[in-house]
Amino acid sequence: EVQLVESGGGLVQPGGSLRLSCAASGFTFSSYWMHWVRQAPGKGLVWVSRINSDGSSTSYADSVKGRFIISRDNAKNTLYLQMNSLRAEDTAVYYCARDISGIDPYWGQGTVVTVSS
Amino acid sequence: QSVVTQPPSVSGAPGQRVTISCTGSSSNIGAGYDIHWYQQLPGTAPKLLIYGNSNRPSGVPDRFSGSKSGTSASLAITGLQAEDEADYYCQSYDSSLSYVFGTGTKVTVL
Repeated sequence: EVQLVESGGGLVQPGGSLRLSCAASGFTFSSYWMHWVRQAPGKGLVWVSRINSDGSSTSYADSVKGRFIISRDNAKNTLYLQMNSLRAEDTAVYYCARDISGIDPYWGQGTVVTVSS
Repeated sequence: QSVVTQPPSVSGAPGQRVTISCTGSSSNIGAGYDIHWYQQLPGTAPKLLIYGNSNRPSGVPDRFSGSKSGTSASLAITGLQAEDEADYYCQSYDSSLSYVFGTGTKVTVL
């Protein structure tokens, strides 16, 4: 069974940092591009970042460029999102997702990040 | 904010047909990138409804159909059912090397 389980969310002060993790199982993790997508309370889905299957290529939404870093460890079947210089507007549910533009995407259940003093 | 727009809400009575539009530009939908549609029930992760503009994954009822033309796409739901009440998002790629989601549409079954 395919599973994506996010962790690492929580409450952080503005300017602080958090690292999200996404543990993958039930599929060949190293074969898939992976994404982070977020959803602010009561708002729509917003793509955050993407990494290719071997980790050699990444891309980011303009709103997080220079502050967030996506990475992966294929030996541990884990995706990461290092979030620095956090702002109130980064408050959201963060979803880890497999291949969102493919024919067989899969999403985790999300982890909540709250940026507040 | 998203560069791909959808109507905030659509509604219909059970059994009716509703359509959701997804309007982009020459840098995303109009550039030939595929459109995918997701359904999100309250408190849950999105679920793929349509991929590659008009293809349904196995298990998705044929009441759902997708189409694309020029810089726009649309999702149609025929024979609307109470369980279809959810938020719907189109998704594509943009030439700025980013992925984009539409602004989202809430479907209400009257």
